[in-house]
Amino acid sequence: AQSVAQPEDQVNVAEGNPLTVKCTYSVSGNPYLFWYVQYPNRGLQFLLKYITGDNLVKGSYGFEAEFNKSQTSFHLKKPSALVSDSALYFCAVRDMDDNFNKFYFGSGTKLNVKP
Amino acid sequence: GAGVSQSPSNKVTEKGKDVELRCDPISGHTALYWYRQSLGQGLEFLIYFQGNSAPDKSGLPSDRFSAERTGGSVSTLTIQRTQQEDSAVYLCASSLGLLRPQVREQYFGPGTRLTVT
Repeated sequence: AQSVAQPEDQVNVAEGNPLTVKCTYSVSGNPYLFWYVQYPNRGLQFLLKYITGDNLVKGSYGFEAEFNKSQTSFHLKKPSALVSDSALYFCAVRDMDDNFNKFYFGSGTKLNVKP
Repeated sequence: GAGVSQSPSNKVTEKGKDVELRCDPISGHTALYWYRQSLGQGLEFLIYFQGNSAPDKSGLPSDRFSAERTGGSVSTLTIQRTQQEDSAVYLCASSLGLLRPQVREQYFGPGTRLTVT
């Protein structure tokens, strides 16, 4: 069965330090992978996606993520965190060899960036 | 430009009543999705519309849930005989979809918070 796991409910990091938000997935076919961010009282916003090609993808606000097929992971990273990055982050996957209409979302990771 | 809008933003209803939730997608977006976000959980896919094609209803949790999309634009999610477990935030998203919809990112509305008492 398809699924997405975000093993950390919360990640705390000091401003200026690098951050990582973890995501692993399970699909039967080829994955299309996405990261979204949800700021308080606002809808989810797209950050970046992996479809094919270079395993390292760059997105909005200085975020990047690396697709690792062998580890079935798609961790979100940023070299230097900002307080304004504090939000709820969701990883999502589409299984291109199954019902690709469906997105499977993780349960979300709350990122807290302290000044 | 205008994003995805949803109404109402909050809805409190009594158990057993029917509710209708509305979504206005971004103009020109042919794909429309409904999701349910329960407290502490990820988004649960409910239904997908693509242009004039038959919708993908595979995520609807029971026959009390239905959705329609009129004229390829506005969509309404209806929950009949609401139960307390229906309490959640219902999110709508749209995307460009005519060409390779599966690679397109989705644009989400702010959601409707439904509370069933």
